[in-house]
Amino acid sequence: AQSVAQPEDQVNVAEGNPLTVKCTYSVSGNPYLFWYVQYPNRGLQFLLKYITGDNLVKGSYGFEAEFNKSQTSFHLKKPSALVSDSALYFCAVRDDTPYDYKLSFGAGTTVTVRA
Amino acid sequence: DTGVSQNPRHKITKRGQNVTFRCDPISEHNRLYWYRQTLGQGPEFLTYFQNEAQLEKSRLLSDRFSAERPKGSFSTLEIQRTEQGDSAMYLCASSSFESRINSPLHFGNGTRLTVT
Repeated sequence: AQSVAQPEDQVNVAEGNPLTVKCTYSVSGNPYLFWYVQYPNRGLQFLLKYITGDNLVKGSYGFEAEFNKSQTSFHLKKPSALVSDSALYFCAVRDDTPYDYKLSFGAGTTVTVRA
Repeated sequence: DTGVSQNPRHKITKRGQNVTFRCDPISEHNRLYWYRQTLGQGPEFLTYFQNEAQLEKSRLLSDRFSAERPKGSFSTLEIQRTEQGDSAMYLCASSSFESRINSPLHFGNGTRLTVT
């Protein structure tokens, strides 16, 4: 079984400040982790993924995420937030079970960046 | 734009009617997924295909739901005898095959279903 928890429903930050969106996961094997962003009435857009290797993953639009195996976390970060980063963010996971390719998503975190 | 295309964007139907949605994936992608998203929730897995084969179907999926992917190209999702609880955004996604690892899912903009 695989699951994701996003403990914060909402994150509010001022423009220019660091942004962190938290995610913890549970898998039976090794995790493959993803972050997606969703704007109103749109589908999800891929930001970044962790498969293996370096624990710090860099992605689109200046976002990065840090994989921490001991804490089973994969927090999304951006050093300096923009108003345009305001959106709904989803963390997703699957484990490395062969031939099981579905992703499980968290409930999402709404990010609001104020000017 | 050669992204994932979903039609229609919106569908309003009366309870008890059947509805069908279409998804056209990115052309070189051999995997296709259907997810459902309700307000305030993350996408919930419904089913997925590799080429034309339906490899998995969620246990949460009622028998009123059926999906097809003839010839491994576009896919359709049909809901029979719709209920108000079926109201949601239905998302389609596709991905390519990279060894054992999924490439990221590429999502369409979804079909929003409202059952009155």
